[in-house]
Amino acid sequence: DSGVTQTPKHLITATGQRVTLRCSPRSGDLSVYWYQQSLDQGLQFLIHYYNGEERAKGNILERFSAQQFPDLHSELNLSSLELGDSALYFCASSSRTGAGNTIYFGEGSWLTVV
Amino acid sequence: DAKTTQPPSMDCAEGRAANLPCNHSTISGNEYVYWYRQIHSQGPQYIIHGLKNNETNEMASLIITEDRKSSTLILPHATLRDTAVYYCIVRVAIGSGNTPLVFGKGTRLSVIA
Repeated sequence: DSGVTQTPKHLITATGQRVTLRCSPRSGDLSVYWYQQSLDQGLQFLIHYYNGEERAKGNILERFSAQQFPDLHSELNLSSLELGDSALYFCASSSRTGAGNTIYFGEGSWLTVV
Repeated sequence: DAKTTQPPSMDCAEGRAANLPCNHSTISGNEYVYWYRQIHSQGPQYIIHGLKNNETNEMASLIITEDRKSSTLILPHATLRDTAVYYCIVRVAIGSGNTPLVFGKGTRLSVIA
C-alpha cells in the first residue's frame, strides 16, 4: 500500500459527460501528480501541483483540468468525454523535503467511456 | 521525452539474478536515476534510486557507472511475481523543485519457471 488513495476505482460513463477523479496523497506530501495510461500511449504525465499551485503541465487536454485543495487532496476533472479518454488515471504524490525524494503512485482509476 | 534507453524485453529464469540495463548518456549532474516497475495494470511501484553511488535495498541493487551514463538494476533472486515492466527514469529531485517522472517504454521482464 503506497498510501496514495484514489477514488473511484472504476467508472463507466457516456461520451459528452463530465467526471471527477479524486486523489488523497500520502500524509504530509505536498506534491501531487496526475498521469494517464491508455493501451497505445503508455504512461503520460498530465499535470503537477505543489501545495495548491500548478507547477508543471504535460500532455493534458484543454477539456481536462485539475486542482489541489488546502487539505492537499486533488481532483482531476475530465469533461466532454470522448471514447479515446478511456484509460487508467493515476495519481502520485511526493514530499517536499530531501533531495532525491520518491514519488508514490496510487492504484489508479479505470475510466471507460462508452 | 524519456531520456533513457532500455531493451524492450528480457527473460530471466526463476531464482536467478535479473540484470536490467539502462543507458542515460545525457544525464545531468543534478539528475537522479530512478527505477519503477508496473505489474499488469497496477500503479507503478517504486524500486530504488541513486545519484552517483551504488544503492541497495530490500528489493534490488542499483549499479551506476562512474561516468553516470548507464546503470543496471539487479533483482538478486527473481521470482514469478517480479514479472513486470521495469522503467528507468532520470529526474531532477531537489526539494520543491521536483520534476515529474517521465516514463519511456521500459523493459518487459518475464520470469520463467
